[in-house]
Amino acid sequence: NAGVMQNPRHLVRRRGQEARLRCSPMKGHSHVYWYRQLPEEGLKFMVYLQKENIIDESGMPKERFSAEFPKEGPSILRIQQVVRGDSAAYFCASSPSWGNTIYFGEGSWLTVV
Amino acid sequence: KNEVEQSPQNLTAQEGEFITINCSYSVGISALHWLQQHPGGGIVSLFMLSSGKKKHGRLIATINIQEKHSSLHITASHPRDSAVYICAVSAIQGAQKLVFGQGTRLTINP
Repeated sequence: NAGVMQNPRHLVRRRGQEARLRCSPMKGHSHVYWYRQLPEEGLKFMVYLQKENIIDESGMPKERFSAEFPKEGPSILRIQQVVRGDSAAYFCASSPSWGNTIYFGEGSWLTVV
Repeated sequence: KNEVEQSPQNLTAQEGEFITINCSYSVGISALHWLQQHPGGGIVSLFMLSSGKKKHGRLIATINIQEKHSSLHITASHPRDSAVYICAVSAIQGAQKLVFGQGTRLTINP
């Protein structure tokens, strides 16, 4: 859905580098979700954020991954010291409030070489 | 066993055929979503259901809460309907955290 903007669309990183993925939610949406789709696997929840707060990060790997949604600017998913297993499509979604329809972005495809 | 199961995993049909994709889930839910994903592309939300039936164009989605089952139907299928269709549920607890099925890869031949 064009309303949720993700960038970059494609990112190539060498092992050990950092990857930063950005997500600008639809206008008026204060809830952001990140999901990951590993090759040949289904989508999995990673983290749910509201402005300046992490609400649920139960799907985030314990190390190297972090997310934020600052008061101003996009939500950022940060992966430090990337490994080949981090290669995946990362989707951001936003919603205006709890329980409402969520809208997905076009995804960011991370390739670790 | 996955909390959300879809069938079939793959479906090939001829243009014009009536298509049905099924989704069963094992958890209590607040809503069920049907999503569409084209190869290498983004995800589009087709429907969000908590009861009954919804229709949008040639797409119809139904849900039976008692049986924990939903179906997505496509009437007069067209090659542009070829995509992966994904069922996802919002559990009652942690409703913002979608649990996804594995997807159904649909191919419509002209």
